Amino acid sequence: DAGITQSPRHKVTETGTPVTLRCHQTENHRYMYWYRQDPGHGLRLIHYSYGVKDTDKGEVSDGYSVSRSKTEDFLLTLESATSSQTSVYFCATWWGVGDTQYFGPGTRLTVL
Amino acid sequence: QKEVEQDPGPLSVPEGAIVSLNCTYSNSAFQYFMWYRQYSRKGPELLMYTYSSGNKEDGRFTAQVDKSSKYISLFIRDSQPSDSATYLCAMSAGVRGGSEKLVFGKGTKLTVNP
Repeated sequence: DAGITQSPRHKVTETGTPVTLRCHQTENHRYMYWYRQDPGHGLRLIHYSYGVKDTDKGEVSDGYSVSRSKTEDFLLTLESATSSQTSVYFCATWWGVGDTQYFGPGTRLTVL
Repeated sequence: QKEVEQDPGPLSVPEGAIVSLNCTYSNSAFQYFMWYRQYSRKGPELLMYTYSSGNKEDGRFTAQVDKSSKYISLFIRDSQPSDSATYLCAMSAGVRGGSEKLVFGKGTKLTVNP
């Protein structure tokens, strides 16, 4: 499994504040992903990156931005958190075709 | 119609039962099929990975893919309480069709009772 860590693991914040979640990988995988997981919706892709400084939107990207300045780090930013962004956020990495995605342990975010 | 449909359950079985989990899909471009297992408050972990149609067996787990019916299954033999988790199916298209994105089912929650 890819060595994937996420920080923080838990966060409680207030509506309107900015929040940044960090994903760090040690396997040099080219692709990195941010998902959110909510009851009744399953895993939904927010943004993904296919290389340093190369990112693209997923199906639920509104209200989120990402950055990737190094291969090993992928940041997810909520510019102004809303209660609808309360969720569990998972980072994943992928080496390429023939391989599968590997997931981090998740960050539980609560926006009050 | 959602690209991937998965019965959310919940599914409750006695220890030792054979469990069958299923997903249907609509995109004929899907070629890679996966089953992930997710324990409560943990990240999904890969359980089975298959390419195209056919069966794959790994211990008590068997994954089946029927591309003609757009139907995939995961069978668990001699189920154990430690198998209690949510099972997610996932799939992606080939190289020319967006293989970099996985499409997930919503997951089936399984409880195996001692």
